Amino acid sequence: GENVEQHPSTLSVQEGDSAVIKCTYSDSASNYFPWYKQELGKRPQLIIDIRSNVGEKKDQRIAVTLNKTAKHFSLHITETQPEDSAVYFCAASTGGDGQNFVFGPGTRLSVLP
Amino acid sequence: DAGVIQSPRHEVTEMGQEVTLRCKPISGHDYLFWYRQTMMRGLELLIYFNNNVPIDDSGMPEDRFSAKMPNASFSTLKIQPSEPRDSAVYFCASSLIGDYGYTFGSGTRLTVV
Repeated sequence: GENVEQHPSTLSVQEGDSAVIKCTYSDSASNYFPWYKQELGKRPQLIIDIRSNVGEKKDQRIAVTLNKTAKHFSLHITETQPEDSAVYFCAASTGGDGQNFVFGPGTRLSVLP
Repeated sequence: DAGVIQSPRHEVTEMGQEVTLRCKPISGHDYLFWYRQTMMRGLELLIYFNNNVPIDDSGMPEDRFSAKMPNASFSTLKIQPSEPRDSAVYFCASSLIGDYGYTFGSGTRLTVV
């Protein structure tokens, strides 16, 4: 089955700097790659996603890139702010209908003021 | 819409007792997922339903766990008998076919002592 790896496990950046989190997946049939943000004690929330027919997607300060050949995708956060501090999870779809996700282990991002 | 609603928010029970977690998905969503989150294992998919039918229960750890979805607006996850290693946060999520992104509930923090 699908296996998703995520790096780094923890990341500290200065406010205003950029943060990059990288994920790799194993199943070449995966076709949907969402990113979730989970603040302490709260539910994971979808922040951005990308489908296999797109190489890059951007939404204000966050962007995601996908390299299907290499089977990896990345989350980029620019101009980081303290409220970006959270655990970020990547995921890849495994089911034929794209609904069944396998999540990466998460990256704890700390933005230092 | 009130989102995905889970109850209870917190549950403390003694080892050997039966525990029932409840979930109400977003109205109209076709898929319902049960996840377990721990520090050691991250987010694990336990089971998911499509139109009230269980599709994949391969993540259910053992026979002590069971899940039902008697109608489109209600699902339960039952653990009987509970053990200390079942302590975790259990999330329910729902999604709409073709929409891909999950909406998570607030979770149930289960502590088995």
